[in-house]
Formats: sequence, C-alpha cells, structure tokens
Amino acid sequence: SQQGEEDPQALSIQEGENATMNCSYKTSINNLQWYRQNSGRGLVHLILIRSNEREKHSGRLRVTLDTSKKSSSLLITASRAADTASYFCATVIQGAQKLVFGQGTRLTINP
Amino acid sequence: ETGVTQTPRHLVMGMTNKKSLKCEQHLGHNAMYWYKQSAKKPLELMFVYNFKEQTENNSVPSRFSPECPNSSHLFLHLHTLQPEDSALYLCASSQESGRVSGELFFGEGSRLTVL
Repeated sequence: SQQGEEDPQALSIQEGENATMNCSYKTSINNLQWYRQNSGRGLVHLILIRSNEREKHSGRLRVTLDTSKKSSSLLITASRAADTASYFCATVIQGAQKLVFGQGTRLTINP
Repeated sequence: ETGVTQTPRHLVMGMTNKKSLKCEQHLGHNAMYWYKQSAKKPLELMFVYNFKEQTENNSVPSRFSPECPNSSHLFLHLHTLQPEDSALYLCASSQESGRVSGELFFGEGSRLTVL
C-alpha cells in the first residue's frame, strides 16, 4: 500500500465553508508537502511542513503535522469555487530520497 | 505559466507507433522527473535524473525509454505501448535530487491514449 493516504477520498461543501483533508503515512519522514491539481492539469505545490514543525499557515491554508500519529491535515478556510480540485499529500521518506504521493482528495466547492 | 513546459499536451498512438514526450524546464533546476498518473491510482514515480544522470528507474518497462541530454530537457521515448499505458504523464523539476527537501515544479502533463 502507498505511503500517504488521504481521507476523505471525496469532499463536497458549500462555498464559504471550511474544508479539512487528512493524510496518514507509514514511515518516518523528512517533510510532508501538499499539492493541488485542477482537472487534467499539472500539480501545484501549496505548502511544505518539516518533520520538526507542528503547524504552518499560508493565506487561507493551514497545515498541521503530528509525527507521533503519522498524520497531517490541510484546512482551507472560507472556501471558494476556485478551490475545486484534487489535493495530494506527499512525503519525503527518510533515507529514500524521493517524494511519494497519496491518492488524493477530490474537493468540490458548490456555489 | 509554470516554468516547466511539456509537449505535446495530447497524444494518441497505436501500439506499433514510436513517439516521444518532451519536457523543458526554465527554472535552472538540476533534477527532473517523470511521473505517471492513471485513473484511481496514486502518482507513480518513473524516472529521476540528477545533473543529467539517471538516479532512479522505478522498475519501468523497457517500452518507456527516458533521455536527458542536459539539465533543462527531458524526453520520454515510447514504443510498442499497451492500452494500459494510457495515462497522464507528468514531468517535474526540483533544485536537486538526492536530498528531496524542497518542492517539485510540475508541467501541465501529456495525456497519452494508446489504441
């Protein structure tokens, strides 16, 4: 099974609400990253959190990391229709020197 | 404009054809990657090049042949593909490989359909 697994697989909310996506992983990591992908397009990097960090903010994004539980969450506040996309977590596994992606959460923001 | 350009964006080929995907990065990065994205599957890392040298081949079938003539260009040569190879092929670059401590910059992808 893959290193990172997002939960839920799909999420549909109303515009203006907050969206929370979770990511769990299995092995020790150097850092964890979140990416966004609009349908059929490339991935865009959103935020990176290092293993010694617990929380990070970027605009309407808030990422937390709990290394004891091997989990991370991405919170998007005050969602907009333009936030509709798939969101992926990716981990840099210690010693593996490569980025491993999860299967993603498909987020739909309804106007 | 992402700084990583992939061509073509769409490609349809028969199983006996030979075609190539091209990737060019304008970011001055030293590492380049090919990923495969199939429906309902996580992104699969295929190849990694660091300073033009291949540093990772993730057990990719030989019908996929990568080429990296310099740090800015990456090709994926395709021959005798199978229908199950139909997918979105994504190229990415980063400052360095070996120690992946930073972000990847992705191109828009090449959507490949094998008939």
